[in-house]
Amino acid sequence: AQRVTQPEKLLSVFKGAPVELKCNYSYSGSPELFWYVQYSRQRLQLLLRHISRESIKGFTADLNKGETSFHLKKPFAQEEDSAMYYCAIRGGANNLFFGTGTRLTVIP
Amino acid sequence: DGGITQSPKYLFRKEGQNVTLSCEQNLNHDAMYWYRQDPGQGLRLIYYSQIVNDFQKGDIAEGYSVSREKKESFPLTVTSAQKNPTAFYLCASSKGQGNNQPQHFGDGTRLSIL
Repeated sequence: AQRVTQPEKLLSVFKGAPVELKCNYSYSGSPELFWYVQYSRQRLQLLLRHISRESIKGFTADLNKGETSFHLKKPFAQEEDSAMYYCAIRGGANNLFFGTGTRLTVIP
Repeated sequence: DGGITQSPKYLFRKEGQNVTLSCEQNLNHDAMYWYRQDPGQGLRLIYYSQIVNDFQKGDIAEGYSVSREKKESFPLTVTSAQKNPTAFYLCASSKGQGNNQPQHFGDGTRLSIL
């Protein structure tokens, strides 16, 4: 069965510091992984997906099949990065299974 | 923002009453989803629909019902059988199955049972 684990409920970093939001998954097939973000007073939205190998707003995430991880990273955190971040894995029928989320706070 | 509209934003109901949450999308998406968001539990899938007139149970379907009579609409009814209905409900849609089909979310409805 699919499962996504985000071990940190809360994460605080100083502006300009590197940030890493952890995500581990379990899935029997070939996984498709996503990061969704919810900024204050905005709707949940897609940040990036592993299949695109893209960098969005300075964030990257590499799928590590050996460690079954998909950690989200940014070298220099900005105040506008403060938000709730959800890691998700796609199951059958395009369903998404979400982690419990990590609230990132960037301290000025 | 358009795209997916959920209404109302806040909903209060007495115990024992059924309530229906609206979700409409104008993205011409085939698939639609309902999630429940509780503190510390992330999002959990209630029901989903890949096509009109068809829907499937998600992980926590008990106490809920849906219909998909039109492509653009996927209302969720929270019945009196749902033991803990107070939560934040999110609707989403996507183009359908296949790779690179992200889900687009609405603003959500917060349901409180008095």
